[in-house]
Amino acid sequence: GDSVTQMEGPVTLSEEAFLTINCTYTATGYPSLFWYVQYPGEGLQLLLKATKADDKGSNKGFEATYRKETTSFHLEKGSVQVSDSAVYFCALSLPNYGGSQGNLIFGKGTKLSVKP
Amino acid sequence: DTEVTQTPKHLVMGMTNKKSLKCEQHMGHRAMYWYKQKAKKPPELMFVYSYEKLSINESVPSRFSPECPNSSLLNLHLHALQPEDSALYLCASSQDLAGGGADTQYFGPGTRLTVL
Repeated sequence: GDSVTQMEGPVTLSEEAFLTINCTYTATGYPSLFWYVQYPGEGLQLLLKATKADDKGSNKGFEATYRKETTSFHLEKGSVQVSDSAVYFCALSLPNYGGSQGNLIFGKGTKLSVKP
Repeated sequence: DTEVTQTPKHLVMGMTNKKSLKCEQHMGHRAMYWYKQKAKKPPELMFVYSYEKLSINESVPSRFSPECPNSSLLNLHLHALQPEDSALYLCASSQDLAGGGADTQYFGPGTRLTVL
């Protein structure tokens, strides 16, 4: 079935370090891919998305490229800050044909801690 | 504006109480969702409303009763809950691109529910 696999962490980095969180997916169709971020005690915020192969999503210094050949959507940031400490969820959504809305499939989440 | 609001932010209830969670969006979205999130886990889909009609019920116990009074509002009525129902309850909305395309879901901040 359709699924998302991401590194579970926790990931601990020093401020200004380079971040990579790996995410790979399995899907029968042509999914859209998302990264959501959840800060402590809060809901999920959409960080970035990509809807087709080779698209690059970017926001707040974070980037991820939709790689169909490797079924991956790795999250990267060149220089993390303490304020980036949060849980990051990779997710996929399948096209909405015939009532498939709601098919937002999440990875297990990766907790990132950034130390000053 | 991509804001989904939820009230209350926190709720403590006994197992015999009846309470309701409220969710509101003014983005013109026609799909709305309830998720349950336990600690250190990704959100789990509970219900989906599309054009104010219940379209997906993920085998949720009847002590949870959703309601969509209009296209902007979504309620979750709670009755006779169990302590294991304690969790963060998240509401989300999306445009509902029926007929093609994958929706982007926007989440609210959640209601932290504790059942005593």
